[in-house]
Amino acid sequence: GAVVSQHPSRVICKSGTSVKIECRSLDFQATTMFWYRQFPKQSLMLMATSNEGSKATYEQGVEKDKFLINHASLTLSTLTVTSAHPEDSSFYICSAGVAVGYNEQFFGPGTRLTVL
Amino acid sequence: RKEVEQDPGPFNVPEGATVAFNCTYSNSASQSFFWYRQDCRKEPKLLMSVYSSGNEDGRFTAQLNRASQYISLLIRDSKLSDSATYLCVVIGSGGYNKLIFGAGTRLAVHP
Repeated sequence: GAVVSQHPSRVICKSGTSVKIECRSLDFQATTMFWYRQFPKQSLMLMATSNEGSKATYEQGVEKDKFLINHASLTLSTLTVTSAHPEDSSFYICSAGVAVGYNEQFFGPGTRLTVL
Repeated sequence: RKEVEQDPGPFNVPEGATVAFNCTYSNSASQSFFWYRQDCRKEPKLLMSVYSSGNEDGRFTAQLNRASQYISLLIRDSKLSDSATYLCVVIGSGGYNKLIFGAGTRLAVHP
């Protein structure tokens, strides 16, 4: 149980295009979903936290107009990187929490974004 | 100062060796601590939680020292399959179970 999927696993796009990444909890309902970014040889950095049906909470330094998060249902959250640039190339990972106060998060397999 | 700091390594050890990693955290109010394992280009996977009393899971032992604000992970009888990056993770403040990751310690176990 507690499987989280991400799609696509890998995407290569031209500078200036927008890219949408989907995160789904397959066998449970996720009250909260988290989006992380990881640059090579660096730690995972939390970008934003989203709860179903409400606006996402962005971490300091993360542009909410550039990284659009939609959490339309208890099993789906999407991250859209708008007008992507080469510096946005990174490994994007989502995770899902089962309930507030329950510490464990279940991670998706990640999406590797390369912007040319 | 980073909230969670780890020695990046790499630690190169032979099979069967015992290896220990340490991690320090800056927020004395942190309550929950974990070790995750991350293989190259993969998502992190929970290895074990860390409790004040210490806990053991097979060849892995984790300990927490609140006074010194550090966490340790001990791996005994290393296997080739233990080669990975080990991430120290602390639950931050601010609700929503915000995980704060260290940059990881890389372990390479060789024959």
